[in-house]
Amino acid sequence: GEDVEQSLFLSVREGDSSVINCTYTDSSSTYLYWYKQEPGAGLQLLTYIFSNMDMKQDQRLTVLLNKKDKHLSLRIADTQTGDSAIYFCAEVFSGGYNKLIFGAGTRLAVHP
Amino acid sequence: DAGVTQSPTHLIKTRGQQVTLRCSPKSGHDTVSWYQQALGQGPQFIFQYYEEEERQRGNFPDRFSGHQFPNYSSELNVNALLLGDSALYLCASSLDTINTEAFFGQGTRLTVV
Repeated sequence: GEDVEQSLFLSVREGDSSVINCTYTDSSSTYLYWYKQEPGAGLQLLTYIFSNMDMKQDQRLTVLLNKKDKHLSLRIADTQTGDSAIYFCAEVFSGGYNKLIFGAGTRLAVHP
Repeated sequence: DAGVTQSPTHLIKTRGQQVTLRCSPKSGHDTVSWYQQALGQGPQFIFQYYEEEERQRGNFPDRFSGHQFPNYSSELNVNALLLGDSALYLCASSLDTINTEAFFGQGTRLTVV
């Protein structure tokens, strides 16, 4: 099946860490993406992880992948007000050429 | 590199009309995919073009059609517009290889009235 689920909303204090969670269904997905969308804008690729990895770190971003549970998370360290946006998890559908299946998005609100 | 560019950025159409949206992929990319993002939802895959052919399609009616040109740019056409077609239409470009990143344009906001 094709389904990606995310919690809809997360509120954090500036300077704290944010953790956004995602579950997916296609166990054959080759890799998984995190995108960021600011109001009125398109999607900005933040990072991605190959399915044969457990963790990937990129500056303030850490991606954890649990293939057994089909669970993906994005941790943002030292969250800033500029990180306020909607974050989308997406899996590459194994049955097609780079067809992305997106979750509904998690709205991250960062407050002082 | 200008990245993925889409035009127009916004447009308003009347129910029943037809619309054409345009996309220029990132330099060096040969594959273009189109997505529809309704308000408050994640993007939904419409179709993908490679070598000027529609290679795969999502769950969208035949009113949605497309084209890819020899320079890899692409058009999305929607006929007989419905109010429910109002959405942000996103174009993504990538290379036709395994394990490749997809880059998105800023989108075209279509409003059907």
